[in-house]
Amino acid sequence: AQSVTQLDSQVPVFEEAPVELRCNYSSSVSVYLFWYVQYPNQGLQLLLKYLSGSTLVKGINGFEAEFNKSQTSFHLRKPSVHISDTAEYFCAVSETGAGSYQLTFGKGTKLSVIP
Amino acid sequence: DAGVTQSPTHLIKTRGQQVTLRCSPKSGHDTVSWYQQALGQGPQFIFQYYEEEERQRGNFPDRFSGHQFPNYSSELNVNALLLGDSALYLCASSTPPDGNIQYFGAGTRLSVL
Repeated sequence: AQSVTQLDSQVPVFEEAPVELRCNYSSSVSVYLFWYVQYPNQGLQLLLKYLSGSTLVKGINGFEAEFNKSQTSFHLRKPSVHISDTAEYFCAVSETGAGSYQLTFGKGTKLSVIP
Repeated sequence: DAGVTQSPTHLIKTRGQQVTLRCSPKSGHDTVSWYQQALGQGPQFIFQYYEEEERQRGNFPDRFSGHQFPNYSSELNVNALLLGDSALYLCASSTPPDGNIQYFGAGTRLSVL
């Protein structure tokens, strides 16, 4: 079984500053990795995904993440945040094997951008 | 291009009642997954439907059941509601070969009183 740990439950950051949201996972097999964003009273929007290939993946809204297999991490970064980035961010993992379709999510990190 | 749509958006029920939630997948998608998101938590996988069959199930009791129709839309049914069933219920759709890439709807907020 897989699990996801998001190390920070809340991250305050000033507007135009860089931010990193941390995610570590545990799995006995190869995984796919995802970051989703949830704005207040809304569903989840896919920010980016790692399936294979380059370990640095770019997503929407200027976000990027780097897959580090040795450290079992998939941290999310943005060089300069905007007020509109205030939301909750979820890291998720899915096993690559046939018959494995569920996403396992972390508990989320609330990003608050301070003007 | 319509995304994943869910209905209703909000629902209030009392303990012991039954509820049905509905989901239409994104155009071109044939697989539907359901998740429960309790307040302050990440979503938890309930089950996934493909070709009108339950393909995978998470750690939820039999009170949670589902159905998928020939047009790929899906229902989630919860019987004998408990206070602890109060949550946001999210539907996600996907399609092979990228079955693990799931797109979510806005959810149904269920309150059990």
